[in-house]
This record gives sequence, structure tokens and C-alpha cells, in this order.
Amino acid sequence: AQSVTQLGSHVSVSEGALVLLRCNYSSSVPPYLFWYVQYPNQGLQLLLKYTTGATLVKGINGFEAEFKKSETSFHLTKPSAHMSDAAEYFCAVTQGGSYIPTFGRGTSLIVHP
Amino acid sequence: GAGVSQSPSNKVTEKGKDVELRCDPISGHTALYWYRQRLGQGLEFLIYFQGNSAPDKSGLPSDRFSAERTGESVSTLTIQRTQQEDSAVYLCASSLWGVNQPQHFGDGTRLSIL
Repeated sequence: AQSVTQLGSHVSVSEGALVLLRCNYSSSVPPYLFWYVQYPNQGLQLLLKYTTGATLVKGINGFEAEFKKSETSFHLTKPSAHMSDAAEYFCAVTQGGSYIPTFGRGTSLIVHP
Repeated sequence: GAGVSQSPSNKVTEKGKDVELRCDPISGHTALYWYRQRLGQGLEFLIYFQGNSAPDKSGLPSDRFSAERTGESVSTLTIQRTQQEDSAVYLCASSLWGVNQPQHFGDGTRLSIL
């Protein structure tokens, strides 16, 4: 069975600081990995995904994530936080045989001026 | 193009009433998912439709919950005899077929049970 762990239900950074949101997964087969962002009163929106190929994936709004198989991680980063990045972020994983993704519990990103 | 559309955006009803929530997926998306999101919580999977296959209902919390989808079009989620614990945002998502396909979400229906 697959599972997703997002360390830290809340992460607080200053505007302009590095953003690091952690995601670790467990999967018995190569996974497909996704990061989604949810703004207040909206649905989830895809930030980026890893399926195959290059392990460093670039997404929208300046975010990127690196798939590290040895660490079973897919952490999300952004070099410089902006106030508009304040939102809830979800990591999700699917794997062959299951079309239903497993979502992490989410991390709320708070950006201070 | 049009995204996933959900209606109503908000629904307030009395305990014990039945409610019906609607989801219009993106055209051509064969997969459709329903999730429940309680305040400040993550996503709770409810049901998954893929084309004309039998749906995966493994996430439905009780027999008061049911959902239908005709072919690859509109889906409705019905909650009978609503309870206060049913208060939540109900999110619908659609995707192309395949485990490597991302989901496209609607903005949800916020359900409040008085």
C-alpha cells in the first residue's frame, strides 16, 4: 500500500526567503508524484508532476521538486517566497495498479511580509 | 477551455434532508473522482468512476452516500438523511485515463447542515 507523509502541517517563512515543503512517500513500485496547491475557497490546482525522466521537475509559479528514489522523497522548493504563495499544499502519489491517488494531509504555507 | 464545474457552490440544508451535488467534468476526461474535505483537513476519497466500468465505491462512508455517472459525462453525488457531520466541502476532479495523469479539480460545493 502506498502512503504519503508531509512533515509540518504549517510552514512559516518571510517574503523573499526559501520555501521548502517536505513530502515522503512509501511505494513498492515506481511512483508517480504530484504537488497541488489550494487557495482559499478553491479546488486544488496542479503545480508539478513527476512521472518518468528527469528527476528535477519545474512547475508553475517558480516552484520545483526533486524526486529522490533513495530517500523516497519529493520535496517542493521555491527560491524566494511571495505573499501570493500563501496557500495549502498537497503532495500526492499514484502507482501502477491503482488509479486512486493517495494525498498527504497538506501543509499550510504562511508568508510574512 | 472549460474546467471542472460543480454546482451548487454552496448548499445549506436542514438535518435529515437529502441533497444532490453535481459535477461537470472536462470534456474527454474518462476518470472522475469525488472527495470530501472537512474544515482544515485533507482530502477524503469517496468514489471513482472510469468510463463505463463499475465504480470504485470503497471510500463511501455510509449507505446514505451514493453517486452516479452516465458514461463520461455529468456525475451526481447524493447524500440521504443528512447529518451534521456531513458538513464539508465536496470536491470533484476529472482526469484522462492513466495513473500518470494529474487531476483537475472543481471549486467544490460547500455543504452546511443545520
